[in-house]
Amino acid sequence: SQKIEQNSEALNIQEGKTATLTCNYTNYSPAYLQWYRQDPGRGPVFLLLIRENEKEKRKERLKVTFDTTLKQSLFHITASQPADSATYLCALDPANQAGTALIFGKGTTLSVSS
Amino acid sequence: GAGVSQSPRYKVTKRGQDVALRCDPISGHVSLYWYRQALGQGPEFLTYFNYEAQQDKSGLPNDRFSAERPEGSISTLTIQRTEQRDSAMYRCASSLVATAGELFFGEGSRLTVL
Repeated sequence: SQKIEQNSEALNIQEGKTATLTCNYTNYSPAYLQWYRQDPGRGPVFLLLIRENEKEKRKERLKVTFDTTLKQSLFHITASQPADSATYLCALDPANQAGTALIFGKGTTLSVSS
Repeated sequence: GAGVSQSPRYKVTKRGQDVALRCDPISGHVSLYWYRQALGQGPEFLTYFNYEAQQDKSGLPNDRFSAERPEGSISTLTIQRTEQRDSAMYRCASSLVATAGELFFGEGSRLTVL
C-alpha cells in the first residue's frame, strides 16, 4: 500500500541544536516533495519544495534533502530556537503527473526548549 | 483579502442536516483544494479543482460529499445528511499554478455534528 511516514510524532531538542525530521514514503514516485509548518489552530504554511532531480535545498536555517533511492526526505533546522516549535508536515505529489494533489504525512511535532 | 478565506469558521449542526462550507481563494490562483484534518493528523485530501473543472474527487468519503467551483474562483463543499463522523476541520488551499505550486491554506472551518 502507499504510505507516507514521518519518523516520530514528537521530537524534543535543546535550543541551538540541529533538529532532523524524517519523511519516508512507500510505493510512490513523486516528482517533488514539500515541507510545511503548522502552528496550533492554524493552517499549514509552506516552507520548501525539492524536486526529484535535486539532492538538497537550503533556505536560511532550513535544509531539505531528497533521496529517491531510499525514498526519503530529511528536513533539518540548524541552530534551533524555541520559536521553531511547531508541527512539520511533509507532502508529496503522489502520481508524478501534472496537476495532482499533494498527499500529506501525519506530521512531527518539534519542541525546542531554552 | 490577501489570503485564503473560509467561512464559516465554526459550524455546529445536528445530525441529518446539510452544511455548506465556503472557500474564497487568493485572486488569480488556478488550483483550489479541499482537505480534512483530524486532530493530530495531517491534512487528508478530499478533492481539487483547476479553474472550474474538478480534477480529482477520489478523496471524497462518500456521495454525501460534493464540491463545486462554478466560476473558477469561490468554491463550496457541501455535506448532505451530516453524521457525527463528519466532525472535523475542513481546510481549503489554493495555488497559483497547477503543478508543484506551494499551497496557501485558509484558517479552516471547524464542523461539529451533534
